[in-house]
Amino acid sequence: EAQVTQNPRYLITVTGKKLTVTCSQNMNHEYMSWYRQDPGLGLRQIYYSMNVEVTDKGDVPEGYKVSRKEKRNFPLILESPSPNQTSLYFCASSLSWAGGANYGYTFGSGTRLTVV
Amino acid sequence: DQQVKQNSPSLSVQEGRISILNCDYTNSMFDYFLWYKKYPAEGPTFLISISSIKDKNEDGRFTVFLNKSAKHLSLHIVPSQPGDSAVYFCAASGSSGGSYIPTFGRGTSLIVHP
Repeated sequence: EAQVTQNPRYLITVTGKKLTVTCSQNMNHEYMSWYRQDPGLGLRQIYYSMNVEVTDKGDVPEGYKVSRKEKRNFPLILESPSPNQTSLYFCASSLSWAGGANYGYTFGSGTRLTVV
Repeated sequence: DQQVKQNSPSLSVQEGRISILNCDYTNSMFDYFLWYKKYPAEGPTFLISISSIKDKNEDGRFTVFLNKSAKHLSLHIVPSQPGDSAVYFCAASGSSGGSYIPTFGRGTSLIVHP
């Protein structure tokens, strides 16, 4: 089944403790992206990657890091999480960087992160 | 500054009637528009799209209309069903430095009453 898999689904952590949210897709998609969803603010892009070793900042990159060493994986790293990073996170992929418009994204099921 | 606006946070409709979800945009460089549907505890799923060379695209009960001069698009669901109850996100993208990074609206929560 074609899908985007995020782990974990739920995570509660303490301020300052480094964490990684994993994202993997099995569709050989070039383009991958991370979003956060907050009440009243919709989906805001954190980082995106157009291909292996090519990443760039989205609208809200502060406090996050990403890497794209392989085509299928795009982990989101929070080096020192803070309470304002409590949110619902979505990973998404698309056939190509232009395909984000033409083909639509495939989204993962989400990771609900709480930082206390 | 929001480039994609969904001004109605919520919409309530009776089963069998038409649901109309609206979206406005400000960036004239946008030339692709998409709608996503999101159920609770799930990721958004792609629903329907339209390019700027068209003014209408239809897929079953779902039709998207684009009015470029007004920078407005709408999603029509006819007839509405209780299973359509979800949050709907409008997204727009256009060539900016060679990429088509979509910008999302804040979403409209649709409730279809049986």
